[in-house]
Amino acid sequence: QLQLQESGPGLVKPSETLSLTCTVSIGSITNNNYFWGWIRQPPGKGLEWIASIYYSGNTYYNPSLKSRVTISVDTSRNQFSLKVTSVTAADTAVYFCARDDFGDSGLGAFDVWGQGTLVTVS
Amino acid sequence: QSALTQPPSASGSPGQSVTISCTGTSSDVGGYQYVSWYQQHPGKAPKLLIYGVSKRPSGVPDRFFGSKTDNTASLTVTGLQAEDEADYYCSSYAGRNSFVFGSGTKVTVL
Repeated sequence: QLQLQESGPGLVKPSETLSLTCTVSIGSITNNNYFWGWIRQPPGKGLEWIASIYYSGNTYYNPSLKSRVTISVDTSRNQFSLKVTSVTAADTAVYFCARDDFGDSGLGAFDVWGQGTLVTVS
Repeated sequence: QSALTQPPSASGSPGQSVTISCTGTSSDVGGYQYVSWYQQHPGKAPKLLIYGVSKRPSGVPDRFFGSKTDNTASLTVTGLQAEDEADYYCSSYAGRNSFVFGSGTKVTVL
């Protein structure tokens, strides 16, 4: 069963850049049935889709975050990454990486998730 | 891109049914057959329950049923069990390769 694992600093200073990586294991990031996405959840609040990427590098962003967010993929390392610039306290959240099985299940079926990593902006 | 509207809470006794609504617009829920539902227990990652409005991934009990009418999607859980107590989120494709989640509903099993 494919597994996802987020990694990155748990504490980021205001105005700096948040950087996270998701490592895909027991499976290939180059499978053409999948998008790979980032979703976040502020403490005690709901889920927010941030961005998704295809292994070829095609990227898709939440319009409300697009100006500050970059998603990228490294197929040689079976990883994809997220950068959020100019962070504020409002970016404090648990960040999840997830697989969107669009090929078999249609768009937006995030069927495999990482455990999530808490990033605090302070 | 506004969050889809869900009731903050819902409840039911064991064995009963509960239905959660998810209201969007013709630009998201009403415009596509790409509505998903997720279950999230405290401190855990969300789990996919329903995709494509009404399809269940393998391993999800048929007590979970998804549907959609116009701009509103619904998740019905029948035969409520203690383990169904969790937060539930809907999501929808919103066009231009973007997605939007619902505000979330806390389900309590009385």
